Amino acid sequence: EVHLVESGGDLVQPGGSLRLSCAASGFTFSDFWMTWVRQAPGRGLEWVANIKEDGSEKHYVDSVIGRFAISRDNAKNSLYLQMNSLRGDDAAVYFCLRGRHALDFWGQGTMVTVSS
Amino acid sequence: DIQMTQSPSSLSASVGDRVTITCRASQGIRRYLAWFQQKPGKAPKSLIYDASNLQNGVPSKFTGNGSGTDFSLTISSLQPEDCATYYCQQYDKSPYTFGQGTKLEI
Repeated sequence: EVHLVESGGDLVQPGGSLRLSCAASGFTFSDFWMTWVRQAPGRGLEWVANIKEDGSEKHYVDSVIGRFAISRDNAKNSLYLQMNSLRGDDAAVYFCLRGRHALDFWGQGTMVTVSS
Repeated sequence: DIQMTQSPSSLSASVGDRVTITCRASQGIRRYLAWFQQKPGKAPKSLIYDASNLQNGVPSKFTGNGSGTDFSLTISSLQPEDCATYYCQQYDKSPYTFGQGTKLEI
């Protein structure tokens, strides 16, 4: 059974940094693109970034380019999102997903709060 | 970026009804569209990909149609557990944008 478990969400001050992790199990992690999607409180879904199976290709939504970095460690079956220069509009629940196009499995999410 | 517009934003229906939610893309996206269901306080669940293909385990009461710019999600024989917000998402061109959501009340 596929499991995606996010962690690392926290309260951080504006301008601060945070690293989110996603532990994957139940499938061959290195065979799949992986994706991050976020949802601000009371708002809709926003696609954030994705990464190719071997990490050689990455894509980001414009609003996070230069501030966020997606990465993965296939030996550890883990996906990461390094978030720097955090802003108020980055506050959201961040979901880890399997896939690039036909996203099929979602984690339960981890909450990032940005406030002074 | 490709804009995705869902309609209606919310709707109310009764048990046993059939409802249709539409999703329009600001430019053609071929059939690269997915639908997701999110129940209150829960992570979203994937329903449909490539406009009309059901994800594993999704019941056939969910039907997706469309291509190009106009798409629809039809839910038949509504049950209380179908109460949720439904989102479409295009994945033809990055960034893979979502619609604003349609809240279904039963």
